[in-house]
Amino acid sequence: TQLLEQSPQFLSIQEGENLTVYCNSSSVFSSLQWYRQEPGEGPVLLVTVVTGGEVKKLKRLTFQFGDARKDSSLHITAAQPGDTGLYLCAGERGNEKLTFGTGTRLTIIP
Amino acid sequence: DAGITQSPRYKITETGRQVTLMCHQTWSHSYMFWYRQDLGHGLRLIYYSAAADITDKGEVPDGYVVSRSKTENFPLTLESATRSQTSVYFCASWDGNQPQHFGDGTRLSIL
Repeated sequence: TQLLEQSPQFLSIQEGENLTVYCNSSSVFSSLQWYRQEPGEGPVLLVTVVTGGEVKKLKRLTFQFGDARKDSSLHITAAQPGDTGLYLCAGERGNEKLTFGTGTRLTIIP
Repeated sequence: DAGITQSPRYKITETGRQVTLMCHQTWSHSYMFWYRQDLGHGLRLIYYSAAADITDKGEVPDGYVVSRSKTENFPLTLESATRSQTSVYFCASWDGNQPQHFGDGTRLSIL
């Protein structure tokens, strides 16, 4: 059973456009992490959100944790080719294990 | 150099064969994890270890065996490989506080 569903699974947009990726669950998480993964490499952490309703910004990337701590979104403004990659959310429930989302493969077309 | 390394990076084998994927970390992190990554599933936890000689099952442990005789090594063995185990395998380590650090993966194909 996949506890974290990401949408869309694939997204291809033109450079300069904005986009939002969603990470949804019916379960509550103590924190939510977002990773980006390049081909041939492991995932690299972008941000961790902990508090319900929390918003964090990382340059053109905005991350939000839902008020009920069951969902999260990643918004990219003015996408650039360097944003291309696989984006993964991962939820933590207060133990050592992470539950990863299904992933969103993003392609930015120059 | 400090870090987490996986070997081999690529492996092709046949069904029924035994294959071992290696993972080595130089940080002395207590925790180590094995994940498999398949399209549409993200990363799924196979096994993890909280310390040397302590291992526990994750979400998809069937068909896999792990051991952890030393803190820095966490090998994953497929005792009798099946085609459904074709995947990309990632090892990660964690100190219990900072985020998990991932290796660069092993792409395993079972024919």
